[in-house]
Amino acid sequence: DVKVTQSSRYLVKRTGEKVFLECVQDMDHENMFWYRQDPGLGLRLIYFSYDVKMKEKGDIPEGYSVSREKKERFSLILESASTNQTSMYLCASSGLAGFQETQYFGPGTRLLVL
Amino acid sequence: RKEVEQDPGPFNVPEGATVAFNCTYSNSASQSFFWYRQDCRKEPKLLMSVYSSGNEDGRFTAQLNRASQYISLLIRDSKLSDSATYLCVGGFGNEKLTFGTGTRLTIIP
Repeated sequence: DVKVTQSSRYLVKRTGEKVFLECVQDMDHENMFWYRQDPGLGLRLIYFSYDVKMKEKGDIPEGYSVSREKKERFSLILESASTNQTSMYLCASSGLAGFQETQYFGPGTRLLVL
Repeated sequence: RKEVEQDPGPFNVPEGATVAFNCTYSNSASQSFFWYRQDCRKEPKLLMSVYSSGNEDGRFTAQLNRASQYISLLIRDSKLSDSATYLCVGGFGNEKLTFGTGTRLTIIP
């Protein structure tokens, strides 16, 4: 079974703090994704990566950055957290066959920015 | 207009009934479609892929209508455990999948 893990299930941070969300997958997948999910808006893609050290902007990259130094790990960074970044953050991965292959999700991190 | 649109529901359906919901997409250059299921406070998980010829997996049937640009999900003999949010997902020829906002289904005993 594919396993995608995220470093925290719940996180509370203050406005202006730098926040790191970590994601690790154990299936040697090439592609990794970061989404946020908000009521009424669904899942929105923040950033994705198709290889180590490669990254591409998704639909809502503003206020975020990412890092992929190792194939199994994809980090999402909030440089200066703001209250409008309070959300559920979901990491996903998929295999080499293409981005339109099945994506496997981690359990999510609920971030509250005060 | 959103690339993938779904009726958010909620659909409240008695146990044992058949329920169907549709999803429309706006980009005719679509290449692949999926239905994902998301339980409350859990991550989305793949329910089934949607093929042009239609496909069935037990009580679940998915169909694609390219002419009218919609996909559908049919659940027969619904169970209490089918209660969840169902996400319609499309791939439109680029690197990304686009998720609908989901249709919430509650099966009533």
